[in-house]
Amino acid sequence: NAGVMQNPRHLVRRRGQEARLRCSPMKGHSHVYWYRQLPEEGLKFMVYLQKENIIDESGMPKERFSAEFPKEGPSILRIQQVVRGDSAAYFCASSPPSGGPREQFFGPGTRLTVL
Amino acid sequence: AQTVTQSQPEMSVQEAETVTLSCTYDTSESNYYLFWYKQPPSRQMILVIRQEAYKQQNATENRFSVNFQKAAKSFSLKISDSQLGDTAMYFCALRNTGNQFYFGTGTSLTVIP
Repeated sequence: NAGVMQNPRHLVRRRGQEARLRCSPMKGHSHVYWYRQLPEEGLKFMVYLQKENIIDESGMPKERFSAEFPKEGPSILRIQQVVRGDSAAYFCASSPPSGGPREQFFGPGTRLTVL
Repeated sequence: AQTVTQSQPEMSVQEAETVTLSCTYDTSESNYYLFWYKQPPSRQMILVIRQEAYKQQNATENRFSVNFQKAAKSFSLKISDSQLGDTAMYFCALRNTGNQFYFGTGTSLTVIP
């Protein structure tokens, strides 16, 4: 069973461009979470999604950021018109739909650098 | 609202010694889960140990054990026989019944040879 996959692992964008980060959860997992980690800081929750639904987006900036988890395909975190302050590691995690402690399994992260 | 607090930003321990990382939390729910995650320099988040709030027995995984004090809302992690590979950031996390996760700010642990 493959783990949580994230791609790309590294992404470089110039200010004003768009960044698309992809996350494929573990097989059978229907809950996806996105986190941002700035250098030397902890994880900041951004958004929690289930298939085709946004459950909690309280950590998502109101502008430029959006996330989706379609019925088919990976979850996408989209950042429009990137700025230097968006440079960070973005982690995706998934958890199973029911039963047990349902811990999160993390992907390796995407390191976004905005020039 | 749920919060998770890790009051030790940095800690160090001599190799083969024991170290305890502290974590306190706040929740109004009676049923929840607690976790410790490790983030080594590779930045991959790795689950270390989990605890179900309705279980009084402290969880143990090899050299890692927790001291779960439900009334005090405390969930500390003890690492015995510390190894150089234990050097990492450690995050405490709480999952509520709504499947939302709350992370502490982390403790950076350095194991000194």
